[in-house]
Amino acid sequence: EPEVTQTPSHQVTQMGQEVILRCVPISNHLYFYWYRQILGQKVEFLVSFYNNEISEKSEIFDDQFSVERPDGSNFTLKIRSTKLEDSAMYFCASREGLRETQYFGPGTRLLVL
Amino acid sequence: QKEVEQNSGPLSVPEGAIASLNCTYSDRGSQSFFWYRQYSGKSPELIMFIYSNGDKEDGRFTAQLNKASQYVSLLIRDSQPSDSATYLCAVKGGNNRLAFGKGNQVVVIP
Repeated sequence: EPEVTQTPSHQVTQMGQEVILRCVPISNHLYFYWYRQILGQKVEFLVSFYNNEISEKSEIFDDQFSVERPDGSNFTLKIRSTKLEDSAMYFCASREGLRETQYFGPGTRLLVL
Repeated sequence: QKEVEQNSGPLSVPEGAIASLNCTYSDRGSQSFFWYRQYSGKSPELIMFIYSNGDKEDGRFTAQLNKASQYVSLLIRDSQPSDSATYLCAVKGGNNRLAFGKGNQVVVIP
């Protein structure tokens, strides 16, 4: 069964460093999302992406964040200058065009020191 | 006002019993509702979705939606130890973004 994949599974970085989180959505899906979950808190929406454009972004998704679909398969989330409070689990999700269900990847656990 | 609320504390149920989870939402115009299961340290896994008022059954799971009262619930029948997890209620918003509740932890006691 097709699934969303994410790399790396874990990343440790120093405050102020740039990180890129990678996702490979399900191949025939057209809509892509990033969510994050700080430990012990709820899953929060960051950004949605369709047709090579951001469709919607939350207030969390400030100028330090960017997304890109550099080729036909990858979908990336970049954090330019990480802060301690960026430590969280980051989930990528994708959705087929006709259906509303979003399928989540396994997540990348980001720890900013 | 929070978009999606799941207020119950951890729920402990004996194996074989019914677990009942509730969720309320603030946007009266919401149309689509999802229940995800999340094991500790793992990603959300879709259990079922519901769009129409009433009940929807899928195996041991039943989702119930009442748009007039703005709540959606999940029943787990014949609870198994493998059902021990956190259950997330999610409501679809604009551009299909999902707004999640904080989740309800279920512990099934063998």
